[in-house]
Amino acid sequence: GAGVSQSPSNKVTEKGKDVELRCDPISGHTALYWYRQSLGQGLEFLIYFQGNSAPDKSGLPSDRFSAERTGGSVSTLTIQRTQQEDSAVYLCASSARSRQGLNDNSPLHFGNGTRLTVT
Amino acid sequence: SQQGEEDPQALSIQEGENATMNCSYKTSINNLQWYRQNSGRGLVHLILIRSNEREKHSGRLRVTLDTSKKSSSLLITASRAADTASYFCATARNTGGFKTIFGAGTRLFVKA
Repeated sequence: GAGVSQSPSNKVTEKGKDVELRCDPISGHTALYWYRQSLGQGLEFLIYFQGNSAPDKSGLPSDRFSAERTGGSVSTLTIQRTQQEDSAVYLCASSARSRQGLNDNSPLHFGNGTRLTVT
Repeated sequence: SQQGEEDPQALSIQEGENATMNCSYKTSINNLQWYRQNSGRGLVHLILIRSNEREKHSGRLRVTLDTSKKSSSLLITASRAADTASYFCATARNTGGFKTIFGAGTRLFVKA
């Protein structure tokens, strides 16, 4: 079946512009994550959506970053007034994890990421 | 700061040798997972070990978990050049959801 799809795969933008990154999770997956990875580094947690619950936004680095998940499916990560330090690969992952409080051990399925370059 | 920390940061071995990577974490967890990443793109899930398990095998992979020491190890036996990649551990804990946090990774290079 189809995996996690991210678009665009590459994005070059000028400093100060806004960008939108899109993630299509695996159908039926209730959990969706956004991570950021700088060159040669680990994954930095940004935001986590679980079903209809309020998202965990604790990883968003500034108020220029926001994310939405419409209808429990597609998610959009928006970066306003981009800065050069925002340049990174933005990775989305989804999981079949179910309701909060249940001991669910489903793994994450990743998209191939969006490589953002701010010039 | 990130939950998991791997060591070594980089590892270079000959084909046929075993590769061992370690991961330490800071808080209680529900499970620990290992992922592989090629070419800086999407990660692929390798193996998951639950907090009440101590060891798990999958093909040439062996994972151990020591919750008293808050550490895990990933052993790849009889390594191949195709195993060259970055390997990450990730921990999930029930904080009302199952937020999954990744470590900085180990870069493994297997020489043919």
